[in-house]
Amino acid sequence: GENVEQHPSTLSVQEGDSAVIKCTYSDSASNYFPWYKQELGKRPQLIIDIRSNVGEKKDQRIAVTLNKTAKHFSLHITETQPEDSAVYFCAAPTLSNFGNEKLTFGTGTRLTIIP
Amino acid sequence: ETGVTQTPRHLVMGMTNKKSLKCEQHLGHNAMYWYKQSAKKPLELMFVYNFKEQTENNSVPSRFSPECPNSSHLFLHLHTLQPEDSALYLCASSQAGSPEYEQYFGPGTRLTVT
Repeated sequence: GENVEQHPSTLSVQEGDSAVIKCTYSDSASNYFPWYKQELGKRPQLIIDIRSNVGEKKDQRIAVTLNKTAKHFSLHITETQPEDSAVYFCAAPTLSNFGNEKLTFGTGTRLTIIP
Repeated sequence: ETGVTQTPRHLVMGMTNKKSLKCEQHLGHNAMYWYKQSAKKPLELMFVYNFKEQTENNSVPSRFSPECPNSSHLFLHLHTLQPEDSALYLCASSQAGSPEYEQYFGPGTRLTVT
C-alpha cells in the first residue's frame, strides 16, 4: 500500500509550549521523509527533512525524529510562536502506478498557537 | 518572475466549458507536478512529468488532461468538469523526479465549477 497516516488532524497549543505531530508509513523501502508547512492562503514550503540513515535532525526550534523499525516519524516544534500557526504535511516515498517512486503526503495537521 | 508561477489565480467555469491552467517554473528544474488540494484530500498528487515525460498519473479522470511541452511549462486542460472538481490546483517543480528533491510550489489556481 501507499499509506501515509498523520495525526492529529488539528492541534492547539499555548504559545511557548511544544507541539508534536506524528506520521506513519507503510513502505519499508522509504528512505526520505520531508515536512512541509502551509500558512493560510500561501503555498506549501519545505521546512525540514530527514533521511533514513539518521534518527534525529534539528533546525533551531524544529526537529524531526525517525523510527524505521516502527515506521513512524515525528515533527517537534518547541517554544511555539504565533507564526507557527499553519497546516503541516508529512510525506514519504511510495511506489507510483508507473513503477517509479513518488512522494505521498499525509492528510495534514492544522496547528493553532494560542497567544 | 521567480520561482513557480500559475495562471489564472482564480477560475470559475461551467460544466460544459473548456479551460486550461498554466504553470511556469523559473528554477531550471526538470520535474513538474500537478496537485489537487481540497478539504477532503488536502494534498493529492495528480500527475508527474520528469524531463517532459509523464511518470505518474494517479488514476485521474480523463476530463483532466496534462501537457508538458518543455521542462519549464506545464498545462492542465479541463473539460466537462463536475462540481466536485472545485478545488485549489497546485503546481510544483523539483530538480528531478525523485522524491528526495525539494518540491517548490506555485500559488495555486482556485477553481470553481458551477
